[in-house]
Amino acid sequence: GQNIDQPTEMTATEGAIVQINCTYQTSGFNGLFWYQQHAGEAPTFLSYNVLDGLEEKGRFSSFLSRSKGYSYLLLKELQMKDSASYLCAVRGSQGNLIFGKGTKLSVKP
Amino acid sequence: DTGVSQDPRHKITKRGQNVTFRCDPISEHNRLYWYRQTLGQGPEFLTYFQNEAQLEKSRLLSDRFSAERPKGSFSTLEIQRTEQGDSAMYLCASSPQGDSPLHFGNGTRLTVT
Repeated sequence: GQNIDQPTEMTATEGAIVQINCTYQTSGFNGLFWYQQHAGEAPTFLSYNVLDGLEEKGRFSSFLSRSKGYSYLLLKELQMKDSASYLCAVRGSQGNLIFGKGTKLSVKP
Repeated sequence: DTGVSQDPRHKITKRGQNVTFRCDPISEHNRLYWYRQTLGQGPEFLTYFQNEAQLEKSRLLSDRFSAERPKGSFSTLEIQRTEQGDSAMYLCASSPQGDSPLHFGNGTRLTVT
């Protein structure tokens, strides 16, 4: 079976750092993606990990541990516009992308 | 690059009617995906094409759902005998082959009354 778990909601303060965790159990693994989705809009790509370790891209970083089936997305210097849902997704052995239910992040002043 | 285009943006239909949605992927992308998303949930995988071949179809997809990509370019998703539970946002995405991320369209919002 396939299972991707992430917290349903998180709240953080503007300017702070927040870490969104994702654990997965999937049949086959060909990479893990993080997407951002604002309410009423399409998901947009944030980051991609296929090897263990940390990928940094500006204020956003993503970490992967394949042996633990674990990833996290780190958002630094939070801004109000970062309030959105953050989706963890795993690419399976056949090329499809399976999404978790998403973490709704609320950034407060 | 005009992005992934979906048509229509909104569709309201009565229960029992058939509906068809269209997706035009980014022109050089050979992979095309359909997802369904309801409020507060992540996108749920429906089906996936590489060129014109349908490579995978979710077991969650009932026989009322069918998708085609006849020439390996645009795709259609048809829902027959719609039910109220089909009300959702239907998202299309495309990607090149390999490790590239998916690029999503703005979706078609279906409301079944």
